[in-house]
Amino acid sequence: EDQVTQSPEALRLQEGESSSLNCSYTVSGLRGLFWYRQDPGKGPEFLFTLYSAGEEKEKERLKATLTKKESFLHITAPKPEDSATYLCAVQARGGSYIPTFGRGTSLIVHP
Amino acid sequence: DARVTQTPRHKVTEMGQEVTMRCQPILGHNTVFWYRQTMMQGLELLAYFRNRAPLDDSGMPKDRFSAEMPDATLATLKIQPSEPRDSAVYFCASGPPLAGATDTQYFGPGTRLTVL
Repeated sequence: EDQVTQSPEALRLQEGESSSLNCSYTVSGLRGLFWYRQDPGKGPEFLFTLYSAGEEKEKERLKATLTKKESFLHITAPKPEDSATYLCAVQARGGSYIPTFGRGTSLIVHP
Repeated sequence: DARVTQTPRHKVTEMGQEVTMRCQPILGHNTVFWYRQTMMQGLELLAYFRNRAPLDDSGMPKDRFSAEMPDATLATLKIQPSEPRDSAVYFCASGPPLAGATDTQYFGPGTRLTVL
């Protein structure tokens, strides 16, 4: 059974204080790993897809990296508008392509 | 700006009543997912359609939940009869055809359901 564990559950940062969110996964052959951002009262919004170990993707202050067992979402010099819940999901190779989501990390960035 | 739309956005009903939630996927997308999100369980997959055919509904309580896609522009999720434990936010997501594309899901704004 595919499993996704995100840590920490909650993270409070000061504006400008860089940090990383972790997504550990167990899957029988990874097809893709996804990062989403979810703001309160809204649906998750797609950020990145990573397909193979060593791959990195960046978007503004966010950079996602992938190894064979985990993914990190690095946040550089965060701003209050980066406050949100960040969700990680994995998709196994073959089969129905149904993603398995983690519980998310709630990030609060204080000004 | 193509978006997934969901109606209603909020629904308050009494236990035992039928609830119908609707979703309009992004035009051209051929996969539709229904999720339920609660504080306790996080995001749970309820049903998955590809090309309007149901491929997986193992996460859905069969005795009271049903999901359909009458056509490519409409997906429905029904609960009958509803129970207080069904209170949650229900999300619909759609995705583009798999060939040559990422398996990105585009989520709608959700329907917040409260069953009293």
